[in-house]
Amino acid sequence: KAGVTQTPRYLIKTRGQQVTLSCSPISGHRSVSWYQQTPGQGLQFLFEYFSETQRNKGNFPGRFSGRQFSNSRSEMNVSTLELGDSALYLCASSRGGAGDNEQFFGPGTRLTVL
Amino acid sequence: AQSVAQPEDQVNVAEGNPLTVKCTYSVSGNPYLFWYVQYPNRGLQFLLKYITGDNLVKGSYGFEAEFNKSQTSFHLKKPSALVSDSALYFCAVRDPFSGTYKYIFGTGTRLKVLA
Repeated sequence: KAGVTQTPRYLIKTRGQQVTLSCSPISGHRSVSWYQQTPGQGLQFLFEYFSETQRNKGNFPGRFSGRQFSNSRSEMNVSTLELGDSALYLCASSRGGAGDNEQFFGPGTRLTVL
Repeated sequence: AQSVAQPEDQVNVAEGNPLTVKCTYSVSGNPYLFWYVQYPNRGLQFLLKYITGDNLVKGSYGFEAEFNKSQTSFHLKKPSALVSDSALYFCAVRDPFSGTYKYIFGTGTRLKVLA
């Protein structure tokens, strides 16, 4: 069974631009979560989508947004990029049920903002 | 508020020696607990989980973890470390009764196994 895929793997942008990252979950998984990983900060939760609805949201500014499509694929958008947005963005999928267990992570998208 | 603490940024251990990576949590009730490992330029890989039952859980690559409810800890252990175990380890918690379906991760502990 294919794992979680993320595209692109690497991105270089300049301040002020916007960027869209994509995540395809494991087949049958309906929950997709996004995390920002930076050295020293660990994984910071951005948001989680389940069946096309945002179910949870972390403490990030409104420049960070996302959506989920009917096939469970998810996109994350960051507008007006800042230098501090440089990070590894990880996507994780799970079945999303109440008794659900572990999340499965993609390889991440490395975003560099110049 | 729910939180996870990994008190050590880095743990060094000699190959062949036992290793412990510490994790404590602050979640009311009976949380779900997880350990993940991250190798350079890779996403996180699931190692093991505690949901209920036996306090000692066994996972991938010879790792195990012990759930201690009174100390609110979930330390990761391995009896004999390998150089290839060198990686970044994350502890995570989920409160299944919070209705949020949200996973909270610690800041990570870098494990270095020295040959």
